[in-house]
Amino acid sequence: EPEVTQTPSHQVTQMGQEVILRCVPISNHLYFYWYRQILGQKVEFLVSFYNNEISEKSEIFDDQFSVERPDGSNFTLKIRSTKLEDSAMYFCASSEDRAHEQYFGPGTRLTVT
Amino acid sequence: QKEVEQNSGPLSVPEGAIASLNCTYSDRGSQSFFWYRQYSGKSPELIMSIYSNGDKEDGRFTAQLNKASQYVSLLIRDSQPSDSATYLCAVNRPGTASKLTFGTGTRLQVTL
Repeated sequence: EPEVTQTPSHQVTQMGQEVILRCVPISNHLYFYWYRQILGQKVEFLVSFYNNEISEKSEIFDDQFSVERPDGSNFTLKIRSTKLEDSAMYFCASSEDRAHEQYFGPGTRLTVT
Repeated sequence: QKEVEQNSGPLSVPEGAIASLNCTYSDRGSQSFFWYRQYSGKSPELIMSIYSNGDKEDGRFTAQLNKASQYVSLLIRDSQPSDSATYLCAVNRPGTASKLTFGTGTRLQVTL
């Protein structure tokens, strides 16, 4: 069964460093998303991406964040200068259609020290 | 008012019983509704989707939607210890570029 994959599973970085989180969405899906979940809190939307551009972004997704689909399979989230409060699980998701089911990857645990 | 509200629990049910999980949402324009299961330290796993009023059954799971009351529920029949997890209600309002808005989740404990 097709699934969303993410790498790395755990990333530790120092405050101020840049990180890139990688995702491979399900191959026939057209919509891609990033969500995050701070420990003990709810899953929060960051950004949606369709047709090689951002469809929507939340207030969390400020100028420190960017997304890219560098090739036909990968979808990346870059955080330019990490802060302590960026420590969270970051989930990539994909869907065939904007109204339909979103399937989540296993997540990347980002720890900023 | 929270966009998607769930009782945080824990909801404790004995093995074999029916677990009933509830969710209310505030945006009347919401059109797609999803239940995800999340084990501790893992990612959300899609359990059910429902798009129209009424019931939708899939194996031991039944999702119920009442748009007039802005209410969606999930019933789990014959609950098993492996069902012990946090159940997340998520709502999608097309026209907002399909972002999912999640509730805080209800923790379910199935006891032996």
